[in-house]
Amino acid sequence: GENVEQHPSTLSVQEGDSAVIKCTYSDSASNYFPWYKQELGKRPQLIIDIRSNVGEKKDQRIAVTLNKTAKHFSLHITETQPEDSAVYFCAAMRSSGSARQLTFGSGTQLTVLP
Amino acid sequence: EAQVTQNPRYLITVTGKKLTVTCSQNMNHEYMSWYRQDPGLGLRQIYYSMNVEVTDKGDVPEGYKVSRKEKRNFPLILESPSPNQTSLYFCASSSTGTRNNEQFFGPGTRLTVL
Repeated sequence: GENVEQHPSTLSVQEGDSAVIKCTYSDSASNYFPWYKQELGKRPQLIIDIRSNVGEKKDQRIAVTLNKTAKHFSLHITETQPEDSAVYFCAAMRSSGSARQLTFGSGTQLTVLP
Repeated sequence: EAQVTQNPRYLITVTGKKLTVTCSQNMNHEYMSWYRQDPGLGLRQIYYSMNVEVTDKGDVPEGYKVSRKEKRNFPLILESPSPNQTSLYFCASSSTGTRNNEQFFGPGTRLTVL
């Protein structure tokens, strides 16, 4: 099955700096890569996603890049703010026929220091 | 309001006592899924369902059962709970259209098995 590895597990940055979280996946058939943000005590919420036919996607301060050849994708947050502090999860989805399995990374605790 | 609901939100039980966690969505989503969240392990998929009467195993299905008799409901059944099933459980739903795979998560159910 799919294996998603996520690094780092914890990340502290100063407010205004950039944060980068990296993930690798093992199954070349995976074709959808979402990123979720989970605030303390809350449910995960989608912040950005990318499909395998796209190399980069940006939404305001958040961007995701995908390298299919190397099987890795990254989340970039610029001009970080204290409210960006949360746990971030990457995931990879393989869709084939009637199957749709979503595998998550182990998460990154991002702390933005004021 | 579009939402995924889970009940109960908190449950403390004893080993071997059968329990059911309900999940319901009002977005007419075909796809529904159950995850468990454990520290350092991220979210792991237990079971998913592509549509009514169609269910499939995720990465960690042992000890769990599901059913999908109606489109809106996807209950998680633990026939004989054990302490290693103590965890935070999330239900999620999404459409199966090719353009939108965003998973909407329920609020979570914190289960403790003594």
